[in-house]
Amino acid sequence: KAGVTQTPRYLIKTRGQQVTLSCSPISGHRSVSWYQQTPGQGLQFLFEYFSETQRNKGNFPGRFSGRQFSNSRSEMNVSTLELGDSALYLCASSWGTGEKKNIQYFGAGTRLSVL
Amino acid sequence: ELKVEQNPLFLSMQEGKNYTIYCNYSTTSDRLYWYRQDPGKSLESLFVLLSNGAVKQEGRLMASLDTKARLSTLHITAAVHDLSATYFCAAGSLPGGYQKVTFGIGTKLQVIP
Repeated sequence: KAGVTQTPRYLIKTRGQQVTLSCSPISGHRSVSWYQQTPGQGLQFLFEYFSETQRNKGNFPGRFSGRQFSNSRSEMNVSTLELGDSALYLCASSWGTGEKKNIQYFGAGTRLSVL
Repeated sequence: ELKVEQNPLFLSMQEGKNYTIYCNYSTTSDRLYWYRQDPGKSLESLFVLLSNGAVKQEGRLMASLDTKARLSTLHITAAVHDLSATYFCAAGSLPGGYQKVTFGIGTKLQVIP
């Protein structure tokens, strides 16, 4: 079974640009969550989508947005990039059964560098 | 708002020794996760703990949960170099009926031969 796939793996952008990251969850998983990981802040929750609906949102500015498609694939978009947006962006999917329900399986991440 | 604190943040230990990583969370949570992250890699699920008194073991790692104290521990027995990684705990909360997972900042473990 294929794992969570994130593309691209690496991105270099300049301030003011926008970026779109993609995440394909494990087949059958309907929930996709996004996290920003930085050395100083650790993993911070961005948002979670389930069946194309955003169910939860973290404390990030409106420049960060996302969506989920009918096949559960998800994208996140960051507009007007700032230097502080440089981070590893991780996507995680879930929707198991029994006690493994809601265990999140993480992708390899997209490393974004903003210059 | 749920907050998750881990300690220590850094841990350097010799092979063969035992140690415990602590994870405190601030409000009621219905599940507690432990993850491992190797340098440059993504997160790997280790354990999920669902109820008070739950204990899970895998190899040299054992995790436990005390919901009354809002505390989970990850105990390392007879550490080996392969256990060197960053370990995260995460607590699940149910705002609006849907789960939101909050992570601790991680404990970087270095096992010295």
